[in-house]
Amino acid sequence: EDKVVQSPLSLVVHEGDTVTLNCSYEVTNFRSLLWYKQEKKAPTFLFMLTSSGIEKKSGRLSSILDKKELFSILNITATQTGDSAIYLCAVAGMHGGSQGNLIFGKGTKLSVKP
Amino acid sequence: DVKVTQSSRYLVKRTGEKVFLECVQDMDHENMFWYRQDPGLGLRLIYFSYDVKMKEKGDIPEGYSVSREKKERFSLILESASTNQTSMYLCASSLIQYGYTFGSGTRLTVV
Repeated sequence: EDKVVQSPLSLVVHEGDTVTLNCSYEVTNFRSLLWYKQEKKAPTFLFMLTSSGIEKKSGRLSSILDKKELFSILNITATQTGDSAIYLCAVAGMHGGSQGNLIFGKGTKLSVKP
Repeated sequence: DVKVTQSSRYLVKRTGEKVFLECVQDMDHENMFWYRQDPGLGLRLIYFSYDVKMKEKGDIPEGYSVSREKKERFSLILESASTNQTSMYLCASSLIQYGYTFGSGTRLTVV
C-alpha cells in the first residue's frame, strides 16, 4: 500500500531557529514529490521535486529529494511567526491502476513563537 | 491564476439530511478531486474525476457520491449525513496530476 510519512507531527520553535521537516514515502511508480503550506484555509503550493539531489529554494525555504532513500526534507531558516502552519508532503504516483493522484502525509504542524 | 471556488465556507446540517458541496474551477482543468481533512488523519481522497461524467473512488468513498456534469463543476454529495462526516472538505483541480490548486475548504458540521 502506498504511503507517505511525515515527521515530526508537530514542532515548536522560536523565531530565528532553523527547522527541518521530514517526509518519507513508499509509492508505486513515483512521479514527483510536492510540499504544501496550509495556514487557516487551503494548502498552497511550495515546491515540486522530481530529481534527486537538486535543491529547490524559495527565500528562506528549501527542499531536496533523495529517490534512492525515498525521502525529502524541507528546511526553513531564520523562522518567523508567519511560518507557523501545517506543512504537507504529497507524492504523485500510480494509485489503484488509475492515472494517479496525490498521496498526502499527515502533515507537520509548525509553531513559531516570538 | 487558477481559481477553485467552494460554495460554502461553513455549513451545519442535521443527521440524515442530503448535503451538496459544490466546487467550481475556472481554468478548464480536466482533473478534479475531493478530500476530507481530519486532525491526525491528514488529507484523505474521497473521489476524483478526470473528465466530464467520469468518476473514480478514492480511499474513503463510503457514504459519498459525486457528480460532474460540466467540466468546471465537481459536486460532492452526502446522501444521508452522519456525525462522523463532520470534517473539513477540500476540493482541488489540476491540469495534470501535479501542482494541485485547492479551494478554500468547507467546514461541515453534522449535528
